[in-house]
Amino acid sequence: AQSVAQPEDQVNVAEGNPLTVKCTYSVSGNPYLFWYVQYPNRGLQFLLKYITGDNLVKGSYGFEAEFNKSQTSFHLKKPSALVSDSALYFCAVRDMLGSARQLTFGSGTQLTVLP
Amino acid sequence: GAVVSQHPSRVICKSGTSVKIECRSLDFQATTMFWYRQFPKQSLMLMATSNEGSKATYEQGVEKDKFLINHASLTLSTLTVTSAHPEDSSFYICSAWTSVYEQYFGPGTRLTVT
Repeated sequence: AQSVAQPEDQVNVAEGNPLTVKCTYSVSGNPYLFWYVQYPNRGLQFLLKYITGDNLVKGSYGFEAEFNKSQTSFHLKKPSALVSDSALYFCAVRDMLGSARQLTFGSGTQLTVLP
Repeated sequence: GAVVSQHPSRVICKSGTSVKIECRSLDFQATTMFWYRQFPKQSLMLMATSNEGSKATYEQGVEKDKFLINHASLTLSTLTVTSAHPEDSSFYICSAWTSVYEQYFGPGTRLTVT
């Protein structure tokens, strides 16, 4: 079985400061990892993914994430937060070995960037 | 990037009526699509996996007679909420894989049952 944990329901950060949204995962084999962002009453927008290769993944809108296999983590980061980054962020995982094709999502983290 | 559309974006219906939501892959073919349900400020709950040309696979606890899924072509899947009740009010999102590595989501449909 695959699972994802986002330990923080809410993250607040001042504009211009770095931000981190935490994610840990559990899979049987090697993971495919994803970050999505959701604005109010909208679907999910893809930010970035880790499949293999470099542990530091760069994505859309200046976001990046670091894959850490020993800590089974995939934290989302941005060096300088913008007010417009305020949204709901979801981490998701898919087990490469599993037959299931669906993603398993974390519970989501509401990011608020304060001006 | 790949585009998945949903129609309608919002729908209000009366209790007891049925509502159909369409999900289309606009620039790619999708043999498999997924339907999710999301409550306010909560995560996505997978309802069912829609397979082109065959029956959908429903997650445990999802009533297949209530949430009818049809995947008649490689670009269209529909979710019909039958005999809707106020507790069916929710945000419904569909998605599809464009490859092994990328899954794209529709913009969602807000269903309100009065």
